[in-house]
Amino acid sequence: DGGITQSPKYLFRKEGQNVTLSCEQNLNHDAMYWYRQDPGQGLRLIYYSQIVNDFQKGDIAEGYSVSREKKESFPLTVTSAQKNPTAFYLCASRFTGGWDTEAFFGQGTRLTVV
Amino acid sequence: GENVEQHPSTLSVQEGDSAVIKCTYSDSASNYFPWYKQELGKRPQLIIDIRSNVGEKKDQRIAVTLNKTAKHFSLHITETQPEDSAVYFCAASIMDSSYKLIFGSGTRLLVRP
Repeated sequence: DGGITQSPKYLFRKEGQNVTLSCEQNLNHDAMYWYRQDPGQGLRLIYYSQIVNDFQKGDIAEGYSVSREKKESFPLTVTSAQKNPTAFYLCASRFTGGWDTEAFFGQGTRLTVV
Repeated sequence: GENVEQHPSTLSVQEGDSAVIKCTYSDSASNYFPWYKQELGKRPQLIIDIRSNVGEKKDQRIAVTLNKTAKHFSLHITETQPEDSAVYFCAASIMDSSYKLIFGSGTRLLVRP
């Protein structure tokens, strides 16, 4: 079953703890993205990566970190520096063979800080 | 950087009526404009897209128009059906090596039976 998989679906974190969200794709896509979704605010870009070992900050990168050691994987770490981490997080990937390619999304991870 | 504004935030229409969602973008270098539909509890999925060298594109009941001069693009849904109820996102992408993809704030469409 090809696609993009996020895990876990639900995640609870205590204040002051770091937590890592997993995103794996078997679509052979070079570009990968992390978005945060809050009610009424759409999809806000956290980080994105066009190729292995390279990534860029999006519009709301503060308090987050990523790595891109493998083409298939783009994990997102929500650090204790993120002041309001409770949100729905979506990962996406995209083929870079052309500039007009479709982005495919994972099913999302809902993070709750308790 | 690129900014995409989307209006309205909510839209309620009677079944069979048309719905229009509008977006504006800030970066004139943007050249690819997809629209995504997110049903409740599901992931966003592409429903239609348009390139900067095209003014209009149709796919059955949905169409997208682009005005490059004004830097805005719109989604048109005709003969709406209850299953069209969802959140719709517009997005813009610049043709460069970054492949950066910026989304609008979303429109919640409700089609009343």
